Amino acid sequence: GAVVSQHPSRVICKSGTSVKIECRSLDFQATTMFWYRQFPKQSLMLMATSNEGSKATYEQGVEKDKFLINHASLTLSTLTVTSAHPEDSSFYICSARIASHSGANVLTFGAGSRLTVL
Amino acid sequence: QKEVEQDPGPLSVPEGAIVSLNCTYSNSAFQYFMWYRQYSRKGPELLMYTYSSGNKEDGRFTAQVDKSSKYISLFIRDSQPSDSATYLCAMSPFMDSNYQLIWGAGTKLIIKP
Repeated sequence: GAVVSQHPSRVICKSGTSVKIECRSLDFQATTMFWYRQFPKQSLMLMATSNEGSKATYEQGVEKDKFLINHASLTLSTLTVTSAHPEDSSFYICSARIASHSGANVLTFGAGSRLTVL
Repeated sequence: QKEVEQDPGPLSVPEGAIVSLNCTYSNSAFQYFMWYRQYSRKGPELLMYTYSSGNKEDGRFTAQVDKSSKYISLFIRDSQPSDSATYLCAMSPFMDSNYQLIWGAGTKLIIKP
């Protein structure tokens, strides 16, 4: 089946540094990928939609200069958290649409990346 | 009012019980309904998706949609400790070009051995 590989699974960094998270579609091409953020015991919050070869579309309230998204190829999207601060600590998950069965928006997810900013 | 309402739980049941997980929604444009399972510290994985109203069965899992009541359910028969996870419902309109899903908050399910 379609697999999305995400890494690193865990990262701890110092405040002020930047962290890059990679998301790869292993056996399919993903023209669109989605980046979510999840706080403990809460649901998924869509941060941005990443489109191959064009600028990402950010959701309201998400700082595009803080969360840089690059989708340089049909199999790779990256999220860079720039000048990270403790409030950026969270679980970040990427996903890709895998099915177009009569318009169904079915997503497959990466395993997630837990970011801890000290 | 949120577009999708889901009780966060936790819901604790004994092994072997039938589990009923539910979501309600307000947007009548929703046509596709999905259930995802998320284990702790992992990404969600798709369990089932259904289109419009009706039932869909896959092994021990049954998804049910009642569009007239704007209510969807996921039933788990013969529940196992390995079913312990957070279950998220998600939905979207037909042919939504933005591909956005609207998510419930997730219900944490605990199956006691």
